[in-house]
Amino acid sequence: QVELQESGPGLVKPSETLSLMCTVSGYSITSGYYWGWIRQPPGKGLEWIGSIDQSGSAYDNPSLRSRVTVSVDTSQNQFSLQLSSVTAADTAVYYCARESVLLLYGAAFDVWGQGTMVTVSA
Amino acid sequence: DIQMTQSPSSLSASVGDRVTITCRASQSINSCLSWYQQKPGKAPKLLIYGASHLQSGVPSRFSGSGSGTDFTLSISSLQPEDFATYYCQQSYSSRPEVTFGGGTNVEIK
Repeated sequence: QVELQESGPGLVKPSETLSLMCTVSGYSITSGYYWGWIRQPPGKGLEWIGSIDQSGSAYDNPSLRSRVTVSVDTSQNQFSLQLSSVTAADTAVYYCARESVLLLYGAAFDVWGQGTMVTVSA
Repeated sequence: DIQMTQSPSSLSASVGDRVTITCRASQSINSCLSWYQQKPGKAPKLLIYGASHLQSGVPSRFSGSGSGTDFTLSISSLQPEDFATYYCQQSYSSRPEVTFGGGTNVEIK
């Protein structure tokens, strides 16, 4: 059974960099799929942040591109998110998820972590 | 960027009702559309991918249809556990970018 677990600080100061890790168990990242990050501000909808595959090929949300780095560590079966220059608007629950990409059907996130709340505050 | 517009943003329904939620893309996305269910405090759950394909383990009362720009998610007979927020999501381009709709909150009447 594939499981994903987010980890990282729950509180980040404004202008600093938010760093989160997602640990994958029950499946090897090197076996395929993309691996993505999605966030949800309190009381609001879902926003995709970015995704990466096992080779390190990444793509991300144009609205966040200048601040986002998604990377993968296949030796640890983990992938990570860094979001720089954070403000209060980046306060959200951050989810990691497995992304299945099919030629005719596009991408769908079929396995999700439980999410981790990150608050940006001094 | 492709924008996704869901309607309605909320609805009230009773157990046993048939419920339909629509999602419109700002340009054609072929069948590159997925639907998710999210309950309070929980991660979203994939229901439908490729516009009409039921994810493994999802009850058959859920169905999806549409292609191009207009899509629907239907629940044939609403059950108590179906009260939740539903999101559509597209991913269509040569360098895939993902966009979610704004969500539809299905409440108990």
